[in-house]
Amino acid sequence: DAKTTQPNSMESNEEEPVHLPCNHSTISGTDYIHWYRQLPSQGPEYVIHGLTSNVNNRMASLAIAEDRKSSTLILHRATLRDAAVYYCILRPLSIQGAQKLVFGQGTRLTINP
Amino acid sequence: DGGITQSPKYLFRKEGQNVTLSCEQNLNHDAMYWYRQDPGQGLRLIYYSQIVNDFQKGDIAEGYSVSREKKESFPLTVTSAQKNPTAFYLCASSTRLAGGYEQYFGPGTRLTVT
Repeated sequence: DAKTTQPNSMESNEEEPVHLPCNHSTISGTDYIHWYRQLPSQGPEYVIHGLTSNVNNRMASLAIAEDRKSSTLILHRATLRDAAVYYCILRPLSIQGAQKLVFGQGTRLTINP
Repeated sequence: DGGITQSPKYLFRKEGQNVTLSCEQNLNHDAMYWYRQDPGQGLRLIYYSQIVNDFQKGDIAEGYSVSREKKESFPLTVTSAQKNPTAFYLCASSTRLAGGYEQYFGPGTRLTVT
């Protein structure tokens, strides 16, 4: 399985943008880049995913490097509720079937008021 | 509301006892998963099931067993053979359809074995 590398922790201030980096230099051409986040004592929740193009949704934006060896999750205006562990995961393309996700240690994001 | 239910939220057992964790979903998903999370660590896959009456071992299946008799339910039994059972257990589900991209997670069960 292709691996991802993320900083162990990051800190930001409320109402400021946050850029969470992820390196995945061994990504294959059919791997999707997924981001999940886990709030304290809860199950993870899906944030966003992409393949080649940058993606936006109501929660965040995902910027993918042209060579796909790195990506950045962007929270445009952080709130205290965004404090969580953020996981960057590569998911192989599957025509049909179960998704075997491999979670690393993620990045623990702290938001200062 | 559609979602995944895990019960109980906290579970305490004595060493040597088997314990079964419940996971129910009403999302009509075919695939279901069990993960284990230790403090400060990421999730590790224990077992997964793609359809009823079928399941496969994940990365850390030793000491665990599962069944999938109904689409909605995927219980996990932590047996006495599991050497370090104390952990946070998370159940998830997803569609098997092409293009399905999201796993939905339950709230988790925190198991403590003493």
